[in-house]
Amino acid sequence: GENVEQHPSTLSVQEGDSAVIKCTYSDSASNYFPWYKQELGKRPQLIIDIRSNVGEKKDQRIAVTLNKTAKHFSLHITETQPEDSAVYFCAAGYGNNRLAFGKGNQVVVIP
Amino acid sequence: DTAVSQTPKYLVTQMGNDKSIKCEQNLGHDTMYWYKQDSKKFLKIMFSYNNKELIINETVPNRFSPKSPDKAHLNLHINSLELGDSAVYFCASSPSQLRGTGELFFGEGSRLTVL
Repeated sequence: GENVEQHPSTLSVQEGDSAVIKCTYSDSASNYFPWYKQELGKRPQLIIDIRSNVGEKKDQRIAVTLNKTAKHFSLHITETQPEDSAVYFCAAGYGNNRLAFGKGNQVVVIP
Repeated sequence: DTAVSQTPKYLVTQMGNDKSIKCEQNLGHDTMYWYKQDSKKFLKIMFSYNNKELIINETVPNRFSPKSPDKAHLNLHINSLELGDSAVYFCASSPSQLRGTGELFFGEGSRLTVL
């Protein structure tokens, strides 16, 4: 099966700075890479996703980049704000609706 | 309108008891899931059903038995609860698997505490 590694496990950034979270995956057949944000005590929610035929995708302050050759993808958050503080999960999709999640990354934005 | 709703939200029970968590989605999705999130926040898939048919069963103990009476409902029954079962259980749904992997819509979670 797919194995997704996510690092760093915790990231603290000053408000206004950028945050980058990196993930690697093992199965070259994986073709879908979503990022989920989970605020404290709440459900995970999709914030951005990318498919394997695209190298980069942006949505306002967040962007995802994919390097299929190296089998890694990253989440970039620019101009961080306190409401960006959350746990972020990367995942790799393979087969039919199979998603392998990373272990999550706690992002803390310091005001 | 809650898209994916699960009940109860909190469940506190003694070891050895049997308990159920219910999940319903009104999104018209064909595929539903149960995920377990432990104290370290790790999200691990347990089961997936597509149109009432079991398609993923990830080495979950037999004490866990999912049941899907129709494609809008996926319930989870747990027998002989153990301390290690304490976790937050998330139900989720996604569009038909025939369209490939897509967005998961999670419920609010059910926090199970086994004493």
